[in-house]
Amino acid sequence: GAVVSQHPSRVICKSGTSVKIECRSLDFQATTMFWYRQFPKKSLMLMATSNEGSKATYEQGVEKDKFLINHASLTLSTLTVTSAHPEDSSFYICSARDGDKGGDTGELFFGEGSRLTVL
Amino acid sequence: GQNIDQPTEMTATEGAIVQINCTYQTSGFNGLFWYQQHAGEAPTFLSYNVLDGLEEKGRFSSFLSRSKGYSYLLLKELQMKDSASYLCAAFDSNYQLIWGAGTKLIIKP
Repeated sequence: GAVVSQHPSRVICKSGTSVKIECRSLDFQATTMFWYRQFPKKSLMLMATSNEGSKATYEQGVEKDKFLINHASLTLSTLTVTSAHPEDSSFYICSARDGDKGGDTGELFFGEGSRLTVL
Repeated sequence: GQNIDQPTEMTATEGAIVQINCTYQTSGFNGLFWYQQHAGEAPTFLSYNVLDGLEEKGRFSSFLSRSKGYSYLLLKELQMKDSASYLCAAFDSNYQLIWGAGTKLIIKP
């Protein structure tokens, strides 16, 4: 099946610093990628939808200046948490839809997730 | 509003069968997904139903009734590795995924 790679899997940073998380589709072109945030024992919360070559669409309540998303190519989207604070600590997950394969079923392929801890 | 309901937690015995129910209310409907998520990991795709009926895939089966806004995931011959959270999610009319909070399945020997 299609593979989505997310890096880093774990990151610990100091408050006030910025952290970049990468999401790559390894064997397919992903015109659309999704970024989720998940709190312990909670469901996935969609943060934004990232479209290649255009600005990301953010969900209500998500600060676009805080969570910068760049989808510069068909295989790479990045999420940058700017000036991170302890409340930004969470599990961030990306997913991508392969329009050629999963387009009919709508299947999403998820990255492994990135656990961010802000001290 | 849009909503997905599923039980918070279920317990079953190794080797047995368990059914995890999900009801949904969405603005339009374009299919329902089941994902498995082990603790600390990202979800993995299990099934997708868009037509009424039962889809069987090995030990896992998924059922959909569009008229009732209802789905279930059936797990047979339970194994300890099946202990995980099972997420139900539905596509609305805009193909936005609406996620349930997940059902934590605990398998006991």
